[in-house]
Parts: sequence; C-alpha cells; structure tokens
Amino acid sequence: GAVVSQHPSRVICKSGTSVKIECRSLDFQATTMFWYRQFPKQSLMLMATSNEGSKATYEQGVEKDKFLINHASLTLSTLTVTSAHPEDSSFYICSARDSVGQFFGPGTRLTVL
Amino acid sequence: DAKTTQPPSMDCAEGRAANLPCNHSTISGNEYVYWYRQIHSQGPQYIIHGLKNNETNEMASLIITEDRKSSTLILPHATLRDTAVYYCIGGFGNEKLTFGTGTRLTIIP
Repeated sequence: GAVVSQHPSRVICKSGTSVKIECRSLDFQATTMFWYRQFPKQSLMLMATSNEGSKATYEQGVEKDKFLINHASLTLSTLTVTSAHPEDSSFYICSARDSVGQFFGPGTRLTVL
Repeated sequence: DAKTTQPPSMDCAEGRAANLPCNHSTISGNEYVYWYRQIHSQGPQYIIHGLKNNETNEMASLIITEDRKSSTLILPHATLRDTAVYYCIGGFGNEKLTFGTGTRLTIIP
C-alpha cells in the first residue's frame, strides 16, 4: 500500500508555544489529506480535511485559528497547533488518499507541559 | 458514512482463524466496507476493502453478506502481532472516514 510519513513522531513542548507537524505522502500525490486526533483509550476523531491549494475544511467544534493547516504541495500537509496547552496533548494522525483509498501516517504524540 | 456496529472485544487462540463481525445495515449501495487495524500507539493500518464480492489479500479475507448488511473479516492464522483494535468502516475511501469504537482483538498464546 501507499506510504505516509509524519514528522516528528513525538514532541514535548511548553504551554503557549506552537508546534508544527508534517504529513508526507512518499510514493504518491495526494490532493486531499485528513487530520485526526486520538485521546487515550478513544477512537480517532476527524479534525479537518486538507485540500491542496485551497483552505482546509474543519469539523464542527475544531478551531481553525488554533489548528492551522497548510497543504502547499501534492505531497505535504502541515498541522500547526498554535499556543498549545496541556489539553491539546494527544496523538495526531494524518491520512492521505490515493486512487485506492486512504492510508495513514504513524502518528505524532504531542505532550504539552 | 454508514453506521457500523462491532463487538467491543474478542479473544482468539494463536494459530487459529480470527473472525471479526461487523454490522452495517444502513450502508448504501455504492459505499464500500473498509477494514483497518490499529496497533497500540501507531497509525491505523489498511487491511482490506470490498463492495459486494468477497475479497482476499495477503493479510485477510473479507466476507460480505449478499444483502450487504454485515461482513466478517477473517485472519486465517492469527499471530500475537495481530493483537490490535480492528475498525470496520462503511464509506468511500476518497472521502473522510468515520471511525467507531472498533473491536479489540487479543490473540492468546
């Protein structure tokens, strides 16, 4: 299947700082990528749909000014958690779509102190 | 996405076939059935998908009932590395996928 990478795999930051997470499709081009968040012992929750060259579409309850998404190329989408707080600590996962379906990255564990 | 219902947990002996059921009675005629699994602290891994016909690949087999209201994922010879949460999702792979709570499969040595 298609390969999707994320960087970094884990990050620890201080409250109030911003953190950028990268999602890359390694062997295919993806016009659409998706960002999910997963809290401990819970299922994945879709945050937003990232479209190359246009604004992201956010799910209800997700603050677009808090979670900035940029999809500047067909192989890269970034999620920036601005002014992170401890409640933003979570496992962030991206997925990218190819002609067959969706493939997921390995996830980024964010811990905000 | 179609709503799916899965048992919260299952156990299976190592080496035996693991059969994971999924009900998707509201699935529409052109929605696929997708199966993913998530091993602890990793991103979901694609397993298999199907529309109407049964499907098989190197990982698993997918059996879809004729009325498409339910399906079964079969791992033919379960190993300890198959311990994971398995998600059954009805929808289109090129659109957003809605994850339910899945089935936590534990392979017993």
